[in-house]
Amino acid sequence: SQQGEEDPQALSIQEGENATMNCSYKTSINNLQWYRQNSGRGLVHLILIRSNEREKHSGRLRVTLDTSKKSSSLLITASRAADTASYFCATDDNDTGGFKTIFGAGTRLFVKA
Amino acid sequence: DAGITQSPRYKITETGRQVTLMCHQTWSHSYMFWYRQDLGHGLRLIYYSAAADITDKGEVPDGYVVSRSKTENFPLTLESATRSQTSVYFCASKGTGWETQYFGPGTRLLVL
Repeated sequence: SQQGEEDPQALSIQEGENATMNCSYKTSINNLQWYRQNSGRGLVHLILIRSNEREKHSGRLRVTLDTSKKSSSLLITASRAADTASYFCATDDNDTGGFKTIFGAGTRLFVKA
Repeated sequence: DAGITQSPRYKITETGRQVTLMCHQTWSHSYMFWYRQDLGHGLRLIYYSAAADITDKGEVPDGYVVSRSKTENFPLTLESATRSQTSVYFCASKGTGWETQYFGPGTRLLVL
C-alpha cells in the first residue's frame, strides 16, 4: 500500500473557499512534501516540511505535520479556479537515506468559479 | 533549455514490440527516477538510479529495463510491450537524497 494516503480522494469547492487535504503515512520520515499536478502535466513541487517542523507557510498554502499521528494537512486559502488540480503528498524513505520518495494516490480538487 | 525533458510525449505501439522512453536532465542531478501513473494507483516507482551505472528496482519493475551510462540520461525500455503497460510515464530527478524531485512532462503510452 502507499506510504502516503490522501484524504479525501476528491474535493469540490467554490472559489474563495478554503480547501483542506489530509495525508497519512506509515513509517518514520525525514520530510514530507506536497506536489500539485495539473491535468496532463507532470508534478510540481509545492512545499517541503521537515520532520522537526510543525507548520510551514508559502503564499496561500499552509502545511502542518504531526509526526506523533503520522499525518499532514495542506490548506489552500481563498481558493481560485486555477487551483483545480490533483494534490499529492510524498515522503522520503528513511531506509534508503531519502533516496526513494513514495507518493500517495492524491486528492483531486475542483474549484468552481 | 535547462530542465528535464522526456521523449516522445505520446507513443502508440503494439503488443510485443520494444519501446524506449527517453529522459534527459540538464542539472547534473545524481538521482533519477521512472514512475508510471495509472488511475487509482497514483505514482508507482519503476526504477531509480543514484548515479551513472547505478540502478535499482522500484515497486513495479517487471517488464522494464533501464540504463544510466551518462548522468544526464535515463532511458526506460519496455522489452516486449503488454497492454497492462499502457500508462503515463514520468521521469524525475533530484540532486541529493533529501531534496525535492523535479518531474518531466510525461509520456503517454498506449499499447494496442
